[in-house]
Amino acid sequence: NAGVTQTPKFRVLKTGQSMTLLCAQDMNHEYMYWYRQDPGMGLRLIHYSVGEGTTAKGEVPDGYNVSRLKKQNFLLGLESAAPSQTSVYFCATRTGGTGELFFGEGSRLTVL
Amino acid sequence: QKEVEQDPGPLSVPEGAIVSLNCTYSNSAFQYFMWYRQYSRKGPELLMYTYSSGNKEDGRFTAQVDKSSKYISLFIRDSQPSDSATYLCAMEVNTGNQFYFGTGTSLTVIP
Repeated sequence: NAGVTQTPKFRVLKTGQSMTLLCAQDMNHEYMYWYRQDPGMGLRLIHYSVGEGTTAKGEVPDGYNVSRLKKQNFLLGLESAAPSQTSVYFCATRTGGTGELFFGEGSRLTVL
Repeated sequence: QKEVEQDPGPLSVPEGAIVSLNCTYSNSAFQYFMWYRQYSRKGPELLMYTYSSGNKEDGRFTAQVDKSSKYISLFIRDSQPSDSATYLCAMEVNTGNQFYFGTGTSLTVIP
């Protein structure tokens, strides 16, 4: 039982390049979230989804897009990467509107 | 003013000590309060989950919520080197989708 799996785990990009982070969950959870974690800033919500085919903006959505075409997958895209997007990205899921968040192990992105 | 304030530490204690970790918050509408533990280069994992005010105990861990003071605490008794991690507090208004996280307190327990 893998839980929440993020790919890739590490990536180095040049400014202006694009990439997609994939979050896959096998817990049949409805809610999925993308956070970024930066030193001194804590976890900040980028986008989230309350079910297949739905997405919504979080606290820091600019420069990111998301899609939830299948219930088990939540994709985070960077269309034109900037150095300010250097961060550790975490995907999280939960069954419904309350309860525990289950996190993946993180994806470390460096934008040069 | 941030919604949630947490002293980043670092905090260093000897093995066996009692550890107290704290967060303050400004939004009186918060109802759900959580503590997450995050080991280096790992994702956060839930330690304690409480609703409204009061205490909750789980083994060596005790979570306290004082809504009147907008203050939550996590106590770790008989601390172990395996407790060395960053501890994040988090809170939520209700069945919404916006968790508010503290910045985390780094704890080291020295054998």
